[in-house]
Amino acid sequence: AQSVTQLDSQVPVFEEAPVELRCNYSSSVSVYLFWYVQYPNQGLQLLLKYLSGSTLVKGINGFEAEFNKSQTSFHLRKPSVHISDTAEYFCAVSPMDSSYKLIFGSGTRLLVRP
Amino acid sequence: DTEVTQTPKHLVMGMTNKKSLKCEQHMGHRAMYWYKQKAKKPPELMFVYSYEKLSINESVPSRFSPECPNSSLLNLHLHALQPEDSALYLCASSGTGLYGYTFGSGTRLTVV
Repeated sequence: AQSVTQLDSQVPVFEEAPVELRCNYSSSVSVYLFWYVQYPNQGLQLLLKYLSGSTLVKGINGFEAEFNKSQTSFHLRKPSVHISDTAEYFCAVSPMDSSYKLIFGSGTRLLVRP
Repeated sequence: DTEVTQTPKHLVMGMTNKKSLKCEQHMGHRAMYWYKQKAKKPPELMFVYSYEKLSINESVPSRFSPECPNSSLLNLHLHALQPEDSALYLCASSGTGLYGYTFGSGTRLTVV
């Protein structure tokens, strides 16, 4: 079985400051890793994904994430946030032996203040 | 076309009504999904269709009935829902190996 933990339910940050959203996972098999963003009253948009290869993954809107296998983490970072980055961010994993399943963390609300 | 289109965007229905949610994609994806999302919660998987056949049903009550008429369309038929079924219903599709796992913008369902 798999589980995803996003310890921070909300992260307030000032505009142009850096931010890190934390994600840890647990799985008995190898997994693919994803970050999704959800703006109010909208669906989920894929920010980035780690399938294999380089552990540093760059995504859309200036976001990046680093896969750390030993710590089973996949933290999301952005060096300078904008007001428009205010949204809900979900980390998700999919077991490599069952690619139809996507297991989400509980989400982190990023609140960017002017 | 890289989108998943869901209609309607909003739906209000009574507990005795029958309604349907529709989902359409033209990316050639062979897997399609229904998720349910309650406020301030992550999406929860309901159904998975693979090559137009139901492959996963996450113990969803029978008042929700999925249908996949063809490889581009996915429906969710609703009957005798309860107020606690009010939620955002998201459709998604994916190609082989989870490349391009794409979500629609959802249908906001309110049961009164």
